[in-house]
Amino acid sequence: AQKVTQAQTEISVVEKEDVTLDCVYETRDTTYYLFWYKQPPSGELVFLIRRNSFDEQNEISGRYSWNFQKSTSSFNFTITASQVVDSAVYFCALSEVNTGNQFYFGTGTSLTVIP
Amino acid sequence: DVKVTQSSRYLVKRTGEKVFLECVQDMDHENMFWYRQDPGLGLRLIYFSYDVKMKEKGDIPEGYSVSREKKERFSLILESASTNQTSMYLCASSLYRGGEQETQYFGPGTRLLVL
Repeated sequence: AQKVTQAQTEISVVEKEDVTLDCVYETRDTTYYLFWYKQPPSGELVFLIRRNSFDEQNEISGRYSWNFQKSTSSFNFTITASQVVDSAVYFCALSEVNTGNQFYFGTGTSLTVIP
Repeated sequence: DVKVTQSSRYLVKRTGEKVFLECVQDMDHENMFWYRQDPGLGLRLIYFSYDVKMKEKGDIPEGYSVSREKKERFSLILESASTNQTSMYLCASSLYRGGEQETQYFGPGTRLLVL
């Protein structure tokens, strides 16, 4: 079974629109970590955020914000006022403390921001 | 800044060749990982290593082996390359901190084409 589901395969938005990327995860562990990475066309995965299961506070970093809801097992990512440079593939990942350092990645959401 | 480098960005090999992919990190990280990335499948873990000379199989180890003789270097070996190993290969490293899941930092990736 897929531990991390990113149901949106591809999204296109017009520049300056807001966009939310969904991430739903599945775990039985009480202690786990969630991550978001950005993969621009160059190919390198760039780390964006790490959250642990005990910290449900939403986080904002510039135009980026994350909404962590344990009740729905979701860790959604919103980009406000999108820009062309935001065009990339975005990956959500789960890591469970009890399974060592293994990360479980979603299949990614490809975001295209149209100028 | 964490720096993970991979020996080649692009590689073209023939079926049956032995292929070496090298990864080096400069942050004294204990953990290193090899993934392959294919469209629609996200990132899949091939092998990882917790320490020098230690290795663990990931989800798809068949057809691959690894070597970690020095802490900073983790090599992925395709003993006899096949066309179904054409893919993007990503290396990552992370710090070990017991009881927590540290962020994995990724290299730029190697796009391997096996003809």
